[in-house]
Formats: sequence, structure tokens, C-alpha cells
Amino acid sequence: SQQGEEDPQALSIQEGENATMNCSYKTSINNLQWYRQNSGRGLVHLILIRSNEREKHSGRLRVTLDTSKKSSSLLITASRAADTASYFCATGDSGYSTLTFGKGTMLLVSP
Amino acid sequence: DARVTQTPRHKVTEMGQEVTMRCQPILGHNTVFWYRQTMMQGLELLAYFRNRAPLDDSGMPKDRFSAEMPDATLATLKIQPSEPRDSAVYFCASGLVVSGGTGIRNTEAFFGQGTRLTVV
Repeated sequence: SQQGEEDPQALSIQEGENATMNCSYKTSINNLQWYRQNSGRGLVHLILIRSNEREKHSGRLRVTLDTSKKSSSLLITASRAADTASYFCATGDSGYSTLTFGKGTMLLVSP
Repeated sequence: DARVTQTPRHKVTEMGQEVTMRCQPILGHNTVFWYRQTMMQGLELLAYFRNRAPLDDSGMPKDRFSAEMPDATLATLKIQPSEPRDSAVYFCASGLVVSGGTGIRNTEAFFGQGTRLTVV
């Protein structure tokens, strides 16, 4: 069963615009991670934010975490065509530390 | 260049046949995940190993699926007998779980390229 739910399911923007994707989850977490998947490929880890952190940056990526609302957002600034991919959030629980993925957001960045 | 290696990359088999998928996790990682990805269900966790011991295989149909780690360098996922509804991409991922004063913490997971299984 999915823990995280990404929103929107699909997002289409122009190069240079910012892209924001949201993730909501149900139970308490140890950390939340964002991954990217290019078509036909495996998932690539982007960023991990722990439950005691509120915001994290990595290059053009900015992730926020609101544990009171059980939600996270991923912001990609100044998007490029190469950012076209599916983006997944995954939650790591505080017990076994398994990773449970949402169904993802498909991002299309047009030149 | 550490990476998770999965074999085969593609597999087409007839219904009823046994399928074995293999995964070589990154050396030093103590957790291994098996996921199945389909358009309808997304990424489903099938099995999770830590230090080669299965901790969670609740997502795996037990009557036909089995997952093992014969040693630290090999994880296998078997389907016997295979059915058309098993057609999907199967991913293996490895990661690191550390225990410390603040409890159990996991790091990011590294995914293999997947095995695309087609059962006809």
C-alpha cells in the first residue's frame, strides 16, 4: 500500500519556470526522500530530509517538510528540458526503516 | 563506481515457467529492497532484507514468490509458476541503515536498472 501521495499526478511547464510537487503521507516517519525516474530507468535519489528538519536545499532543488501536516514539497527552480521525468516521494518509517513510495508526479518540461 | 546490478535486464517467459531475478547490492550496504512497478499500482514493496534477514515480505504473494539472500553479494527473487499478471518491472535497491543514539536511521536507496518481465 502507498504511504505517500504525490500531487499533481502530472505537470507540464516551460523551461525556466519553477516546478512544485507535493507529497502527503499518513503515518509517522523517520525521513522523507525524493527520487527521480527517467523513462525506462531505475530511480535516482535526489534528496533526503529527516523528520527533525524543515527545509533542505541541493542545487536547484528545495525540499520542505511539515510533519504537523504530514506533507512535503519539492521545488525545482529554473527547470530544464532534462528535468523531464517522474518524481516520487518515499517515506522511511521509524521502525524497520523500509521505504514506501507514492505513485509519482510526471513532469514535462518543454523547451 | 558503486552500483546495484540486476540481471537479466529483460525476460520474456511463458506462463507457468520459473523466473529468477538476481541483484548484486552495493558492497557494504546492509539493506536490500525488491520493488515491483506497474502503471496501475506504481512501486510496490515486495521484500525488504536487513543484514540478509528478511524483515518484511508482506507485499509478496507467498504462494508463488520467494526472495532470498544467499550471501551479502546476491539477492534473488523467484516466481514459480509465473503468470501474465506478474508482468512488470522489478527493481532491486540497496541502502544503509545505521543505529545510533537517535535510533534507527536509513540513508538513501540506490536502485538497479530493473528487470522488465513479460509473461505470455
